[in-house]
Amino acid sequence: DVKVTQSSRYLVKRTGEKVFLECVQDMDHENMFWYRQDPGLGLRLIYFSYDVKMKEKGDIPEGYSVSREKKERFSLILESASTNQTSMYLCASSSNSGDVTEAFFGQGTRLTVV
Amino acid sequence: GQNIDQPTEMTATEGAIVQINCTYQTSGFNGLFWYQQHAGEAPTFLSYNVLDGLEEKGRFSSFLSRSKGYSYLLLKELQMKDSASYLCAVMDSNYQLIWGAGTKLIIKP
Repeated sequence: DVKVTQSSRYLVKRTGEKVFLECVQDMDHENMFWYRQDPGLGLRLIYFSYDVKMKEKGDIPEGYSVSREKKERFSLILESASTNQTSMYLCASSSNSGDVTEAFFGQGTRLTVV
Repeated sequence: GQNIDQPTEMTATEGAIVQINCTYQTSGFNGLFWYQQHAGEAPTFLSYNVLDGLEEKGRFSSFLSRSKGYSYLLLKELQMKDSASYLCAVMDSNYQLIWGAGTKLIIKP
């Protein structure tokens, strides 16, 4: 059974803190993604990675950075958390092989910055 | 710009049929996905269309017309557990997924 696991389901952090969100997949997927989801806005891509040590900016990278040191792990870092980063964060992975390259999602991390 | 449009909310009755529409304008097209997302949970994959026509999968079917930039998700024999948000996403020419804001489907007994 395919699995994408995010380190925390709920997280509360203070403004200015450095925040790490971890994501691990066990499907040997090449591609990994970080999204945030806010009501009425749909999923917005923050960063993605097509290979180890490779990263690409998505639509809203400001205030975030990522790290992919191993194929199975993709970390999202909030350098200095702000209240406007309160959101649901979703990690996803997908493969380059096969006819249907659907994305598999983790359970999400609901982050509140106070 | 790239755009995916779908209704914000729909209401249907248990046992009935509902059609959720999605229109898109993207830079290129490499397939359209439908996902289901229950409140507070992650999206789960429902269907994929890359060629025109209807794809049927049990109670759920998805239709695509590339010339019209249009898709719909058809849910038959609605059950209470089908209450969820339904997300439409298009893969563009760069193989990036462009997401709609989702349609919240409310099922009434």
